[in-house]
Amino acid sequence: QVQLVQSGSEVKKPGASVRVSCKTSGDTFTRYAMNWVRQVPGQGLEWMGRINTNTGNPTYAQDFTGRFVFSLDTYVSTTYLEINSLKDEDTAIYYCARGQWSVGLDVWGQGTTVTVSS
Amino acid sequence: SFEVTQPPSVSVSPGQTATITCSGESLGNKDASWFQQKAGQAPVLVIYQSKKRPSGISERFSGSSSADTATLIISGAQVIDEADYYCLAWGGDTVVFGGGTKLTVL
Repeated sequence: QVQLVQSGSEVKKPGASVRVSCKTSGDTFTRYAMNWVRQVPGQGLEWMGRINTNTGNPTYAQDFTGRFVFSLDTYVSTTYLEINSLKDEDTAIYYCARGQWSVGLDVWGQGTTVTVSS
Repeated sequence: SFEVTQPPSVSVSPGQTATITCSGESLGNKDASWFQQKAGQAPVLVIYQSKKRPSGISERFSGSSSADTATLIISGAQVIDEADYYCLAWGGDTVVFGGGTKLTVL
């Protein structure tokens, strides 16, 4: 059974950086792309982009260019989301989700809460 | 930029059919996924490729697509189906969620 396990909650100050990890188990790491999804408290889901797990090539949604970085380490079957120069409005739950158009986002991590507060 | 629109809320009585729409230009030419999200939980995929149902998802969930609209249909809605539902439109490098629909069953 495929599982995505994310790192724990983070509390950061404005201007700092944070890295969220997402470890894949139970299936081939490179089978599908890994997507990242943001959910601001009380609001809807936003697709942030994805990383090709074969090539490491990232694709960022329009609103998530510049401060957001996707990366991966194939040897430990883990993808990462790094957010730099954190702002209050980055406070949200961040989900990793495996998949592509042909299978949807079929497996999700449990979510990582990032709180930005001075 | 490409956008998709959902009604903010849908309400049905138990046993009725709930229909949730997702509208966007030429959405019928794109693949759509649907997700159920209950409070405090991660989303769950209930429909992919507009009309296919993942294993383990109730047969009460189905999907259809035409022209500019994708539709999630929940037949014989139950109280356990109360949740937020999101569509996701796949357009190559443009992937967009709808704003979500709160389904009430009472």
